Amino acid sequence: GAVVSQHPSWVICKSGTSVKIECRSLDFQATTMFWYRQFPKQSLMLMATSNEGSKATYEQGVEKDKFLINHASLTLSTLTVTSAHPEDSSFYICSASLDGNYGYTFGSGTRLTVV
Amino acid sequence: AQKVTQAQTEISVVEKEDVTLDCVYETRDTTYYLFWYKQPPSGELVFLIRRNSFDEQNEISGRYSWNFQKSTSSFNFTITASQVVDSAVYFCALGYGGSQGNLIFGKGTKLSVKP
Repeated sequence: GAVVSQHPSWVICKSGTSVKIECRSLDFQATTMFWYRQFPKQSLMLMATSNEGSKATYEQGVEKDKFLINHASLTLSTLTVTSAHPEDSSFYICSASLDGNYGYTFGSGTRLTVV
Repeated sequence: AQKVTQAQTEISVVEKEDVTLDCVYETRDTTYYLFWYKQPPSGELVFLIRRNSFDEQNEISGRYSWNFQKSTSSFNFTITASQVVDSAVYFCALGYGGSQGNLIFGKGTKLSVKP
């Protein structure tokens, strides 16, 4: 149990376009999902907390208008990188909590390359 | 402030050697969780263990063992008889903040096990 599916696993897009990344909890309902970003050879940094049915909570320094998060159902959260630029190229990974507290499961990640 | 320090950036061992990955954390919370994750080259995060702050019992799972010591704020991870498949980046993480469940990651330790 506790599987999180993330799609796509990799994407290449042109500068100025938008990219949507999906995070789904397959066998459980997740009221809270988390989005992280990981630059090459660096650690994971929390970008935002996605709450089902309400606005996401963004970490300091993360532009909410650039990284749009929608958590419309208990099994799906989406992250849209709007007007992507090369500096947005990174590994984006989501996680969801199974037991509503600290039982985290991570998706397989999305490698975004903006050219 | 919450912080996780993994002082070892890279470790290289020969197969069958034992290796310990260090993790030191900082938090003022009395309730918190500690995690270890493995990130192979493919990028996904593989959950290894979660411990809560009230459970200082050491744990052994096959070739893996963890030593949690609140007195030194450490949660070290030992791999016994390492194998090439253990080569990966290992992250220690601290979960705090109640139901929000934010995770603070260390910078990771890259383990290379050579045949």
